[in-house]
Amino acid sequence: RKEVEQDPGPFNVPEGATVAFNCTYSNSASQSFFWYRQDCRKEPKLLMSVYSSGNEDGRFTAQLNRASQYISLLIRDSKLSDSATYLCVVYNFNKFYFGSGTKLNVKP
Amino acid sequence: SAVISQKPSRDICQRGTSLTIQCQVDSQVTMMFWYRQQPGQSLTLIATANQGSEATYESGFVIDKFPISRPNLTFSTLTVSNMSPEDSSIYLCSVDWDMEEEKLFFGSGTQLSVL
Repeated sequence: RKEVEQDPGPFNVPEGATVAFNCTYSNSASQSFFWYRQDCRKEPKLLMSVYSSGNEDGRFTAQLNRASQYISLLIRDSKLSDSATYLCVVYNFNKFYFGSGTKLNVKP
Repeated sequence: SAVISQKPSRDICQRGTSLTIQCQVDSQVTMMFWYRQQPGQSLTLIATANQGSEATYESGFVIDKFPISRPNLTFSTLTVSNMSPEDSSIYLCSVDWDMEEEKLFFGSGTQLSVL
């Protein structure tokens, strides 16, 4: 079983839409959780950390559910510039584990 | 966050040759990692570069093929040895910036094509 699993998508949404991605992880002892954004042919960049209490950064909201071992990312009012691949990342025991990424295409 | 300089940014190499990729960080960091990302795939950890000792390799990766150096807390190299077309990939250096919590930051990557 993979450490981190994501729906690869693609998610094709119109501008202004709200879109949500989920990710599940297998190790209940995992310590930290993140969403990264990766543009085509670029390195991944940290979008936000994810906490049990939930955290928000502008149009982006991330949530962690430890009981069900899943992480979510909600993007409101999608922009064309949000088109990218979103990687779910889990940290445990000095290693970072990456999901396969969810591709988002925001259309005009 | 740390500033990570990785070079070369891309290279085209002949089968059987070797390429060394350099990663320089502007601050001392404890943990440095090397990842590979094959076309359309997610990131796979090759090894953890340990300062002053041998790198720790993940399953499927061996030191003879991917020798790693870590002479100090700001620099590391990854060599891709005896290359074949299957080694064509993006190679990414990353650091665990642990001033506040564990967070991973990446160099801009090296796009390698092996003919």
